[in-house]
Amino acid sequence: DSGVTQTPKHLITATGQRVTLRCSPRSGDLSVYWYQQSLDQGLQFLIQYYNGEERAKGNILERFSAQQFPDLHSELNLSSLELGDSALYFCASSKSGGSSYNEQFFGPGTRLTVL
Amino acid sequence: AQSVTQLGSHVSVSEGALVLLRCNYSSSVPPYLFWYVQYPNQGLQLLLKYTTGATLVKGINGFEAEFKKSETSFHLTKPSAHMSDAAEYFCAVSRGQGGKLIFGQGTELSVKP
Repeated sequence: DSGVTQTPKHLITATGQRVTLRCSPRSGDLSVYWYQQSLDQGLQFLIQYYNGEERAKGNILERFSAQQFPDLHSELNLSSLELGDSALYFCASSKSGGSSYNEQFFGPGTRLTVL
Repeated sequence: AQSVTQLGSHVSVSEGALVLLRCNYSSSVPPYLFWYVQYPNQGLQLLLKYTTGATLVKGINGFEAEFKKSETSFHLTKPSAHMSDAAEYFCAVSRGQGGKLIFGQGTELSVKP
């Protein structure tokens, strides 16, 4: 158990809908990262938040957005869902958010299926 | 830009045989390098990491990897495979703002009895 929790574990929805994925980081970790794992794209970094502020952005679609709340949990919002958004979404957390090494601990993931 | 290439999307070995999973990276600055393992229906677990210092790093479950700057490689090895090693393995590189991880495509390891 990494100490990172993600809810829900599975999510099945229809095209055009909007969903919210939730992540609670390990106690004491200030940084949250979101990654998407799909068969065609592999594991891709989406976005990172550090202590409530956006720190880095990767290949995140405009239909996707995220935020980190004062209690440090984070939510990833996916809207206007398409079939291609079906994937496993991972959250990871780490103590700091700088460019120096800081180990990321991964949650179990949320499996999103868009029908 | 950084990138990671894992040679072989699927590797099959016999139980007790040497495990060798290959990873090459591209980075304009000295990278931090990682190997993660993913068991079915689970998240990613860190096996080992290279940041600075000794180029041969040891990780959990008997795995080790060697950073070779001249070859831009970070291959993962284990002297003797066990059935429980069957999983998907990801090599990753990190540098730059936020320490985001850039992953290779993954290598699925099968272990035959």
